[in-house]
Amino acid sequence: KQEVTQIPAALSVPEGENLVLNCSFTDSAIYNLQWFRQDPGKGLTSLLLIQSSQREQTSGRLNASLDKSSGRSTLYIAASQPGDSATYLCAVRRNTGFQKLVFGTGTRLLVSP
Amino acid sequence: DTEVTQTPKHLVMGMTNKKSLKCEQHMGHRAMYWYKQKAKKPPELMFVYSYEKLSINESVPSRFSPECPNSSLLNLHLHALQPEDSALYLCASSHYRDSNQPQHFGDGTRLSIL
Repeated sequence: KQEVTQIPAALSVPEGENLVLNCSFTDSAIYNLQWFRQDPGKGLTSLLLIQSSQREQTSGRLNASLDKSSGRSTLYIAASQPGDSATYLCAVRRNTGFQKLVFGTGTRLLVSP
Repeated sequence: DTEVTQTPKHLVMGMTNKKSLKCEQHMGHRAMYWYKQKAKKPPELMFVYSYEKLSINESVPSRFSPECPNSSLLNLHLHALQPEDSALYLCASSHYRDSNQPQHFGDGTRLSIL
């Protein structure tokens, strides 16, 4: 059974810092890995999707890497801003067709001005 | 603004009530999902519809009854719920054939059972 863990569970940083969020998964037979952001009381917003054949994806200040063989992904946020405060979730997908995602436990990020 | 619209945003109901949650998307997605999310926990998959047919039921109690009347709409009918069913219910949709497109989520319905 696939298990997805995120470390740390919570993170508090001052504005401007670069930071790394970690995601690990137990079964390396994944189709892709997605990073989502969730603001309090809201739905999930897709940030980046890395296909199993890719090593990294970039969008603006965000960079996600994937090391499938070791079962790890990282989300790097450059020059953090208070607006980055949210919960960040990674999710792995094994199958094709409809998406059956297994979510990680989440990292709650607080960026202070 | 999200491309997946859920109504209502909030719902308070008694254990004997019958109510429905509604989800709508117009992105042409043929896979639609219901998730349940408790506070400070990740979403848990409940149901998956692909091409308007139920593909996955994650052993959800029968007091939750999904329905997909057409390719744009997904409903979740609720009856005789328990207090522990209070949660955020999220709807999502995705491409079926294009497997490397992300899943799109609505903002959810906050459900409280009295």
